[in-house]
Amino acid sequence: QVHLQQSGPGLVTPSQTLSLTCVISGDSVSSNSAKWHWIRQSPSRGLEWLGRTYYRSKWYNDYAISVKSRITINPDASKNQFSLQLNSVTPEDTAVYYCAREDSTSGFDIWGQGTMVTVSS
Amino acid sequence: QSVLTQPPSVSGAPGQRVTISCTGSNSNIGAGYNVHWYQQVPGIAPKLLISANNNRPSGVPDRFSGSKSGTSASLAITGLQAEDEADYYCQSYDSSLSGNWVFGGGTKLTVL
Repeated sequence: QVHLQQSGPGLVTPSQTLSLTCVISGDSVSSNSAKWHWIRQSPSRGLEWLGRTYYRSKWYNDYAISVKSRITINPDASKNQFSLQLNSVTPEDTAVYYCAREDSTSGFDIWGQGTMVTVSS
Repeated sequence: QSVLTQPPSVSGAPGQRVTISCTGSNSNIGAGYNVHWYQQVPGIAPKLLISANNNRPSGVPDRFSGSKSGTSASLAITGLQAEDEADYYCQSYDSSLSGNWVFGGGTKLTVL
């Protein structure tokens, strides 16, 4: 059974960096079939895809245009996890952040528990 | 404003049938990309309800079904139960520059 466990701070100061980690159990971040995503949800923006990482003989990343200049998603095969870094945050980045697994049909079949992140001084 | 358009709310009495629409465009649903549906209870992560237009993951009751035609998709729930009260979201892939994975704005289902 695949499980995603998120961790990270719930409060980030404006202009600083938001950092979250998603630990995978029951699957591998280096899987040749799965892909690993970050998605956020807020009342103002709804569900918003942020980016993904996946391994197909080498590592690939894709990012949403809305955050492309500020986002980094890093896999860590040694710890079987992947992380999200979002730089220069503003109050508009306040949201619940989820990690998720993309299945073979391009849907998200496994989700982390979610982390509420508030950007405030 | 979401790339995929859903009605903000629908309602129905127990035992009734309801449908939730999801309207996209030629860069997502109309381009042939799969549509997926999620059920979300407040405070909990979304749960995959319908995969790839009309497939139910293991454990999802057959009261839930999905369909797709042209630039739109629909989720149907028959034999409505109180436990079905939740938010429902559609999701697809978009080939335009606005973002690759796109969601609907969500529909609140109220069981009367």
